[in-house]
Amino acid sequence: EPEVTQTPSHQVTQMGQEVILRCVPISNHLYFYWYRQILGQKVEFLVSFYNNEISEKSEIFDDQFSVERPDGSNFTLKIRSTKLEDSAMYFCASRQGNYGYTFGSGTRLTVV
Amino acid sequence: GQQLNQSPQSMFIQEGEDVSMNCTSSSIFNTWLWYKQDPGEGPVLLIALYKAGELTSNGRLTAQFGITRKDSFLNISASIPSDVGIYFCAGQLRTGNQFYFGTGTSLTVIP
Repeated sequence: EPEVTQTPSHQVTQMGQEVILRCVPISNHLYFYWYRQILGQKVEFLVSFYNNEISEKSEIFDDQFSVERPDGSNFTLKIRSTKLEDSAMYFCASRQGNYGYTFGSGTRLTVV
Repeated sequence: GQQLNQSPQSMFIQEGEDVSMNCTSSSIFNTWLWYKQDPGEGPVLLIALYKAGELTSNGRLTAQFGITRKDSFLNISASIPSDVGIYFCAGQLRTGNQFYFGTGTSLTVIP
């Protein structure tokens, strides 16, 4: 069964450093998403991406965040200057049409 | 953002028992999804619902899209230990393409 692949599975970074989280969505999917989940809390929407541009973003997705689809297969989330409160699981998801998302296994980001 | 409330927040049941949980919102949703999340893993889609009143099954799982379009229900029959996890509902409004996630129901199955 097709999968959404995320790397790395765990990243530890110093506060103030930039991080890039990588995702390879399912190949024929057209819509791409990033969500995050702070430990013990619900899954929160960050951003959606379609046709090479952001289609929706939440209030969490401020100027510190950016997304890119650099080469037609990867979909990245960059956090420019990480803060302690950015520590969370970050999930990438993709979908084709109206069917539900397929989620990746996530990247656990720990900011120290 | 939208608030989706799930109840109960947690459940401890004996293996073999049936489970019911629900998800409610003050907004009208176009699509409801139910996911299961194991520790350290991403959510895995269980059931998708697209029409008010729709009742859909996936093995021992049955979910319904509420008539008011403001709620959804998930039932698990004859629970087994591998049903343990956190169950999330997610809803999509008529406008926009993001899904809003519920607060989760943690299920523990006692063998």
